Amino acid sequence: ETGVTQTPRHLVMGMTNKKSLKCEQHLGHNAMYWYKQSAKKPLELMFVYNFKEQTENNSVPSRFSPECPNSSHLFLHLHTLQPEDSALYLCASSQVRGSAYEQYFGPGTRLTVT
Amino acid sequence: GIQVEQSPPDLILQEGANSTLRCNFSDSVNNLQWFHQNPWGQLINLFYIPSGTKQNGRLSATTVATERYSLLYISSSQTTDSGVYFCAVVEYGNKLVFGAGTILRVKS
Repeated sequence: ETGVTQTPRHLVMGMTNKKSLKCEQHLGHNAMYWYKQSAKKPLELMFVYNFKEQTENNSVPSRFSPECPNSSHLFLHLHTLQPEDSALYLCASSQVRGSAYEQYFGPGTRLTVT
Repeated sequence: GIQVEQSPPDLILQEGANSTLRCNFSDSVNNLQWFHQNPWGQLINLFYIPSGTKQNGRLSATTVATERYSLLYISSSQTTDSGVYFCAVVEYGNKLVFGAGTILRVKS
């Protein structure tokens, strides 16, 4: 248990569905992140939120829409996804202080798009 | 952007053996982390080690920032050590860049 939880753990959705992934951190951190891990590819950073403000969007398609209502919660809203979006989606959090940003990860949501 | 290379890509060990995993990075970094990803996908923090040497039980890590590499040592390996080991670095801000990983299999 890292102090970062994600729900659901598994999700199967059709290409016309709309769904949301949820992440919650219990570590008192002020930065949260979404990563994507596809088969046979390195983990890719998708979005970064510092103090609830989005500071990084790593050229992610608009069918992925993040939301960070407060420093403890992060959502990823999904709509009209493609089969190639099937992957493990990982949430992480860290404290931002100086140059130290040790990140802690949740267990991930394994998404299958049919 | 910064490049992170891990070696070897795959490693098979007999239980009880020792191993060294390597991470090379192409530019100066502010942060370096080692993770173990278990078969269920959970990334477990092993070390936060932008420089120097740290030890935690059978695992230890050394980062030589001036030469742009880090090493993860696993001693007396156990079957539960199996999984994927990732090195990740921060070049600027808090953007973590991952290597491709080393897949470790420990046989009993």
